[in-house]
Amino acid sequence: DAGVIQSPRHEVTEMGQEVTLRCKPISGHDYLFWYRQTMMRGLELLIYFNNNVPIDDSGMPEDRFSAKMPNASFSTLKIQPSEPRDSAVYFCASSRTGSPTGQYFGPGTRLTVT
Amino acid sequence: SQKIEQNSEALNIQEGKTATLTCNYTNYSPAYLQWYRQDPGRGPVFLLLIRENEKEKRKERLKVTFDTTLKQSLFHITASQPADSATYLCALASSSSASKIIFGSGTRLSIRP
Repeated sequence: DAGVIQSPRHEVTEMGQEVTLRCKPISGHDYLFWYRQTMMRGLELLIYFNNNVPIDDSGMPEDRFSAKMPNASFSTLKIQPSEPRDSAVYFCASSRTGSPTGQYFGPGTRLTVT
Repeated sequence: SQKIEQNSEALNIQEGKTATLTCNYTNYSPAYLQWYRQDPGRGPVFLLLIRENEKEKRKERLKVTFDTTLKQSLFHITASQPADSATYLCALASSSSASKIIFGSGTRLSIRP
């Protein structure tokens, strides 16, 4: 299994631009999570899905952030417009109901907004 | 408010000794607690899960304890090796929302030869 796949691995963009981060979860996993990690705030849960349905988006910072999961093998996190304070590493993770093996994280996307 | 606290200071341990990391929490009714390892530039990797009705869990050189009275988990690495150097994160899932886990800020562990 290839594990959780994220793209791009690095993204540098200018303030005001739209940014789209992509994630492919592990096949057979029914939960998908988006996290953001910074030195100041640590690893924060933004939103998670179960069977492609958003369950809890209370961690999404503001309306500039949106996430979709059109099918079981693909999810996007979009920031529009981006701001310098959005600079962080964004992780996608997936897991399977009832599994004792926790969440599997992707390699992350390092976003820099100038 | 709910809070998870881990030692923010790095822990430096001599190779071969036992490393002990602490995770304290407040205002949680945890269903289970997990420990993850994170290396620089990589995503966290799951290590162990312990449920609220379990006192201790072991896996090879790792041991986790969970005291719901003290609201604390201890993570031990015995016979530590330089390769164990990493940041270790604890994460809690509450009984009201067991699918959602909240992470502590992590403790950086350095094992010196």
